Amino acid sequence: EVQLVESGGGLVQPGGSLSLSCAASGFTFKDYWMYWVRQAPGKGLVWVSRIHSDEIQIKYADSVKGRFTISRDNVKSTLFLRMNSLRVDDTAVYYCARGGTHGSIDYWGQGTLVAVSS
Amino acid sequence: EIVLTQSPGTLALSPGERATLSCRASQTIDMNHLAWYQQKPGQAPRLLIFGISKRATGIPDRFSGSGSGTDFTFTISRLEPEDFAVYYCQQYGDSPEVTFGGGTRVEIK
Repeated sequence: EVQLVESGGGLVQPGGSLSLSCAASGFTFKDYWMYWVRQAPGKGLVWVSRIHSDEIQIKYADSVKGRFTISRDNVKSTLFLRMNSLRVDDTAVYYCARGGTHGSIDYWGQGTLVAVSS
Repeated sequence: EIVLTQSPGTLALSPGERATLSCRASQTIDMNHLAWYQQKPGQAPRLLIFGISKRATGIPDRFSGSGSGTDFTFTISRLEPEDFAVYYCQQYGDSPEVTFGGGTRVEIK
């Protein structure tokens, strides 16, 4: 069974930093692209970042470029998101997700809440 | 940048009725990179349809997708009580790589 379990969310002040982790199991992690997608309270889904299985090909949404860093450890089957210079509008549930076929996202974690507030 | 516009914003129907949701893209979507997701309150999204019309593993055949180019449709042939939720379309492309529609809420009439 595919499982994605996020951790590391919490309350942080504007300008602060936070690191999220996502522990993957039930599949061969190193073979899949991985994503972070976020959802602000009461709002829709927004793509944040993607990392190729080779750990090198990486893309970011414009809204987080230069502030967030995605990475992965294929030995430990773990995905990371380092978030710096956090803003109030970064407040959201952050989902770790696995890339599927035809550009879809086929499995999602339960999400971790990041709240940016003074 | 490809923008996905979903309509209607809310659809009020009764169990047993047919639900038809629309997703319109601002540019042609290449290589059938269009998917649909269901999200219930407090839960993560669940993939229902990928490649425009292919059902994901374990998804009942009352769910279907169709379309091409810029116009796509998601249909629930007969609504079950557990189908009342928010549905999102999503495309994969370039800059940004992934975009989602704003969602359609299917609620009980």
